[in-house]
Amino acid sequence: DAKTTQPNSMESNEEEPVHLPCNHSTISGTDYIHWYRQLPSQGPEYVIHGLTSNVNNRMASLAIAEDRKSSTLILHRATLRDAAVYYCILTLRNSGGYQKVTFGTGTKLQVIP
Amino acid sequence: DTAVSQTPKYLVTQMGNDKSIKCEQNLGHDTMYWYKQDSKKFLKIMFSYNNKELIINETVPNRFSPKSPDKAHLNLHINSLELGDSAVYFCASSTILGKGSPLHFGNGTRLTVT
Repeated sequence: DAKTTQPNSMESNEEEPVHLPCNHSTISGTDYIHWYRQLPSQGPEYVIHGLTSNVNNRMASLAIAEDRKSSTLILHRATLRDAAVYYCILTLRNSGGYQKVTFGTGTKLQVIP
Repeated sequence: DTAVSQTPKYLVTQMGNDKSIKCEQNLGHDTMYWYKQDSKKFLKIMFSYNNKELIINETVPNRFSPKSPDKAHLNLHINSLELGDSAVYFCASSTILGKGSPLHFGNGTRLTVT
């Protein structure tokens, strides 16, 4: 199974942009790159996903390297509510063709007021 | 309007007991999942059902038995509870299998086995 590597923790000042990196050098051509975040005492929350092209939504932007071996989640202006664990995930297919979402250890983002 | 709801939110029980956790989604999704998050915060998939059919079973002890009466519900029954079963259990749902569709999670059930 292809795996992802993320820094254990990062810090950001409030209202500044945050770039959360993720390496996935063994990604296969059909793996989607997903980002989720988990706030304290809550379930994981979907943030964004992409396959090859960069993606934007109301929460964040996802920049995917041309070779797809790395990606970066961009929060344009960090707020205190963005403090969470951010997971970069590759959705894998099992033998039946069904996607399986496997979580790694994630990056704990601390936002400093 | 809760999209994925789990009950109960907290469950405290003794070793050897049998307990169930219920999950319901109102998103019209065709696939549901159970995840376990242990004390080290590591999230691990346990089961997945598509249209009431088991499609993922991640080497979970057979004391754990998921049951899906319909597409909107996936319950988890645990027999002979052990101390190591203490964790937070998350239910999730998604649709459009294999096309990278996102998962929607519930807020979890914290199970404590004493």
